[in-house]
Amino acid sequence: EAGVAQSPRYKIIEKRQSVAFWCNPISGHATLYWYQQILGQGPKLLIQFQNNGVVDDSQLPKDRFSAERLKGVDSTLKIQPAKLEDSAVYLCASSSFGRLDGYTFGSGTRLTVV
Amino acid sequence: SQQGEEDPQALSIQEGENATMNCSYKTSINNLQWYRQNSGRGLVHLILIRSNEREKHSGRLRVTLDTSKKSSSLLITASRAADTASYFCATGGSNYKLTFGKGTLLTVNP
Repeated sequence: EAGVAQSPRYKIIEKRQSVAFWCNPISGHATLYWYQQILGQGPKLLIQFQNNGVVDDSQLPKDRFSAERLKGVDSTLKIQPAKLEDSAVYLCASSSFGRLDGYTFGSGTRLTVV
Repeated sequence: SQQGEEDPQALSIQEGENATMNCSYKTSINNLQWYRQNSGRGLVHLILIRSNEREKHSGRLRVTLDTSKKSSSLLITASRAADTASYFCATGGSNYKLTFGKGTLLTVNP
C-alpha cells in the first residue's frame, strides 16, 4: 500500500510569512495526526482528526496555527504568521480507527523560519 | 507534554553487541509502542505491546513492559551499523492518541 504522502519536503520562509503543509494519509485510515518535532526532541502532537472532525487540538497554538481535513481524507496545516521557534519538522501520520496498530508516518516537512 | 522518558539519551556500542533502551512514563496506558527514526526521516513503527502483556518479540527486538513500575525496555540483539538511529517510546491512551518521549540516539560502530 502507498505510504503517507507529505509535501513540500523542505520549506524556508521569513518570520511573519505564512506557510502551508499538505498530507495525504493511507487510503482508508480514518485517523490523521499532525506532529511537530523540534530538533533533538520527540514529536509533539498538534492535532488529531477522526474523519473530518477534530478529536484533540489542545496543543495547537490556535492564534497562528490552523488545520483542516475536508472530506475526511487529505489535510492541510497552516502557520500564519510564522515565528522563529516554529522551525521544526512537521510530521503527518495516519492510523485505522478501532485497530490497535502502529501509526504510519510520512517523511515530514522540514520548516526553517529565518 | 511528553509522557515517556527514554534512558539513556545516547548510547554507543560496537556491532554485534546488544543495545538496551529504557522508557518510563507517568500515567496509565492502553499500550506502549517503539519507533525508530533515521536522521532526517519519518518515524517507523517497530513494535507495540498492550498494557496486559509483559513481553513481546519481533525478530531481533524484545520489548518488556512493567505497568507496576510504569516502565518499558527495548532490547536490540546482535546490533548492526544499520540500526544506528533514534529510538522513541510512545504511550497510547484509549483515544488512539500517542505521546512520545525525547528518544535515545543509538550509534552502532562497525
